[in-house]
Amino acid sequence: DGGITQSPKYLFRKEGQNVTLSCEQNLNHDAMYWYRQDPGQGLRLIYYSQIVNDFQKGDIAEGYSVSREKKESFPLTVTSAQKNPTAFYLCASPSATEAFFGQGTRLTVV
Amino acid sequence: KQEVTQIPAALSVPEGENLVLNCSFTDSAIYNLQWFRQDPGKGLTSLLLIQSSQREQTSGRLNASLDKSSGRSTLYIAASQPGDSATYLCAVDNYGQNFVFGPGTRLSVLP
Repeated sequence: DGGITQSPKYLFRKEGQNVTLSCEQNLNHDAMYWYRQDPGQGLRLIYYSQIVNDFQKGDIAEGYSVSREKKESFPLTVTSAQKNPTAFYLCASPSATEAFFGQGTRLTVV
Repeated sequence: KQEVTQIPAALSVPEGENLVLNCSFTDSAIYNLQWFRQDPGKGLTSLLLIQSSQREQTSGRLNASLDKSSGRSTLYIAASQPGDSATYLCAVDNYGQNFVFGPGTRLSVLP
């Protein structure tokens, strides 16, 4: 089945650590997106990539980094510069007609 | 900058009621508008997508309308069921730049 796979489902980060969230798609889509969701709020765009080897900052890119070396993969690194990283992170990949989402990664700072 | 709002923020209804969820956006130059469902702790599931040239889309008990000129969309749910309980998000696609999401409406359907 085509879809988007995010891993891990739950992730715990210590203060000062960098962590990387995985997003893989087998939909053969060019575009991939990372969103952050905080309780009771909508999704906010962190980074997006319209094509391999290219990506753009979204509304809240500070403290995050991404890479897009392969069409299928768009990993998100939450760096120590992100002061409030506890949130639910969603990866998406739209087609021309619809947006597909992964099941999310819940990141908690301990 | 596109902004999306949703009213109400939360809604609780008895089973069997018909209900309407509202979505408003500030910039009418959109490519499409999509309604999603999100269960607690889960990703988003697409419900309906309306292209900018369309007025409405229907799927089962769901009907979504779009009025681009007034910057509004509604999601109508007929004969609500407890299984419809979830958060409903609308999102507008600004010509492939990115999706801008509303904050969602949290729906509870009571048996």
